[in-house]
Amino acid sequence: AQKITQTQPGMFVQEKEAVTLDCTYDTSDPSYGLFWYKQPSSGEMIFLIYQGSYDQQNATEGRYSLNFQKARKSANLVISASQLGDSAMYFCAMREALNGGATNKLIFGTGTLLAVQP
Amino acid sequence: DTGVSQDPRHKITKRGQNVTFRCDPISEHNRLYWYRQTLGQGPEFLTYFQNEAQLEKSRLLSDRFSAERPKGSFSTLEIQRTEQGDSAMYLCASSHLGGRPNEQFFGPGTRLTVL
Repeated sequence: AQKITQTQPGMFVQEKEAVTLDCTYDTSDPSYGLFWYKQPSSGEMIFLIYQGSYDQQNATEGRYSLNFQKARKSANLVISASQLGDSAMYFCAMREALNGGATNKLIFGTGTLLAVQP
Repeated sequence: DTGVSQDPRHKITKRGQNVTFRCDPISEHNRLYWYRQTLGQGPEFLTYFQNEAQLEKSRLLSDRFSAERPKGSFSTLEIQRTEQGDSAMYLCASSHLGGRPNEQFFGPGTRLTVL
């Protein structure tokens, strides 16, 4: 069964430091996509970064990078130079290709609450 | 472009009542999704529309739940005979076929409390 696991319920990081949020996934499909979303206290889910299973390079978007280790089935999010505004819940998600086509269903993990300290 | 909007933002109802939520996607987005998020969990997929066609439904979408997107623009999610277990945040998202393919834009959600 498809599954996303985030083992860190909460994390602290000092402002301006880098932080890594862990995500492992389980799928038997060779074609899939991995996402990270940020959810501040307001509740809105904000897309951060995407990694395709066939992408040769790790995805980067500004201060966000995805450490994709396919053999280990991990897709950790690295936030560099943390800012106070980065304090939020962070969700890892996966989208699979079913029967040769892409489904649009995202499967989310339980999230990691990040607190950035001044 | 004002993003995905949802109405109402909060709804409190008594068990057994029917409720309806509305989602207005980003204009020109032809794909629309509904998710449900309970406390301490990530969002769970409920259903997906491409234009007015409902193409995927989760088994979480019991017969008390119905979603429509009659003209391929806004969508409604109705819950009949609400139960306390229906209390959750209901999130709507949209995306554009042919646009950035991997990004679903989420709305602020409707928080439902069933007493």
